[in-house]
Amino acid sequence: GQQVMQIPQYQHVQEGEDFTTYCNSSTTLSNIQWYKQRPGGHPVFLIQLVKSGEVKKQKRLTFQFGEAKKNSSLHITATQTTDVGTYFCARYTGGTSYGKLTFGQGTILTVHP
Amino acid sequence: DSGVTQTPKHLITATGQRVTLRCSPRSGDLSVYWYQQSLDQGLQFLIQYYNGEERAKGNILERFSAQQFPDLHSELNLSSLELGDSALYFCASSVGASWQETQYFGPGTRLLVL
Repeated sequence: GQQVMQIPQYQHVQEGEDFTTYCNSSTTLSNIQWYKQRPGGHPVFLIQLVKSGEVKKQKRLTFQFGEAKKNSSLHITATQTTDVGTYFCARYTGGTSYGKLTFGQGTILTVHP
Repeated sequence: DSGVTQTPKHLITATGQRVTLRCSPRSGDLSVYWYQQSLDQGLQFLIQYYNGEERAKGNILERFSAQQFPDLHSELNLSSLELGDSALYFCASSVGASWQETQYFGPGTRLLVL
């Protein structure tokens, strides 16, 4: 119902390679948020997408929201060892100020130097 | 450093016991959120407080309770602890109650129930 599925669960890349993680839902998403959690650290908010087909960039990170608002992706160009961590997507369900965030299971990214 | 503080960093206790986790939000933030992160369940929202009042409830067990005090710090009380309650507990804060606002996570409290 309100789950968001993330794939892949794990991704190992060589430094300099690109990386993409996908977040999928069987129902239409009103919004999607992305977080990064470094090993041993806490989740850090990266971005929020709310519009169909929206694309946002943060340096080497590109975030997309699907046209049907049922999927989203995070793409990292030319990964660096500092990109290591778990990337989570999360959807908000509820009213404008009352609700909850449901997180995907995350994609664990390992970058080999 | 997000500006959110949590104490203690680590907690080891036995089954059946009760513990209290504490969270101080960023200065000026009125909302506090509690999350549980475990290997099998992932990151799960437990409860939100806004300016002292409960705002939203997630997958919080009846054995767990929380409150937010007038100085805006929050406590999460876990009682009748079970082995499965072992997890990382995060607190997050935001300025208002809206989901559109960024949530800033604290460093977490790692709870181990033996």
